[in-house]
Amino acid sequence: AQRVTQPEKLLSVFKGAPVELKCNYSYSGSPELFWYVQYSRQRLQLLLRHISRESIKGFTADLNKGETSFHLKKPFAQEEDSAMYYCAPWGYSGGGADGLTFGKGTHLIIQP
Amino acid sequence: ETGVTQSPTHLIKTRGQQVTLRCSSQSGHNTVSWYQQALGQGPQFIFQYYREEENGRGNFPPRFSGLQFPNYSSELNVNALELDDSALYLCASSHPQDEQYFGPGTRLTVT
Repeated sequence: AQRVTQPEKLLSVFKGAPVELKCNYSYSGSPELFWYVQYSRQRLQLLLRHISRESIKGFTADLNKGETSFHLKKPFAQEEDSAMYYCAPWGYSGGGADGLTFGKGTHLIIQP
Repeated sequence: ETGVTQSPTHLIKTRGQQVTLRCSSQSGHNTVSWYQQALGQGPQFIFQYYREEENGRGNFPPRFSGLQFPNYSSELNVNALELDDSALYLCASSHPQDEQYFGPGTRLTVT
């Protein structure tokens, strides 16, 4: 079964400190990897996807296929980064599109 | 460009009843996916529709069914509601195999 583990339910860091949100996945085949973010009172939105290899809002994510991890990093946290973050692989199985498989999410709080 | 919209915003139903939730996809998108998000959990994939056909399904029973219309809007129907169906239901539209754009969700409470 497809599974995503985000071990930190809550992560609190000070402004300017580095941030790393962990994500490990178990997925058959070769999924595409996404990070989605939900800011307070806003809808869920894409933060970054692995294949684009872009840095969005200073965040990057490294895919390690051997460890099946896709950790999200930012060198210097900003207060506006406070939000709920979800790791989500996506792929196809024999039955068709699998849809995004979301982890339980990590609530990131940036303290001033 | 109009974003994804969902209706109603919230509703309350009684166990055993049926409910229909609606989603209007973003302009130009022909794929709609539905997710259920229970409190404190990440969204769980229910199913996806592409060009009016179900294109994939998650681990949900048949009492969860859907439709997609020629204008690519979509409905999620849930029959024989159970207390555990209480959740936020999210709709997302996209081009196939592309970024999914989420709606604000419908909060369903089953009593």
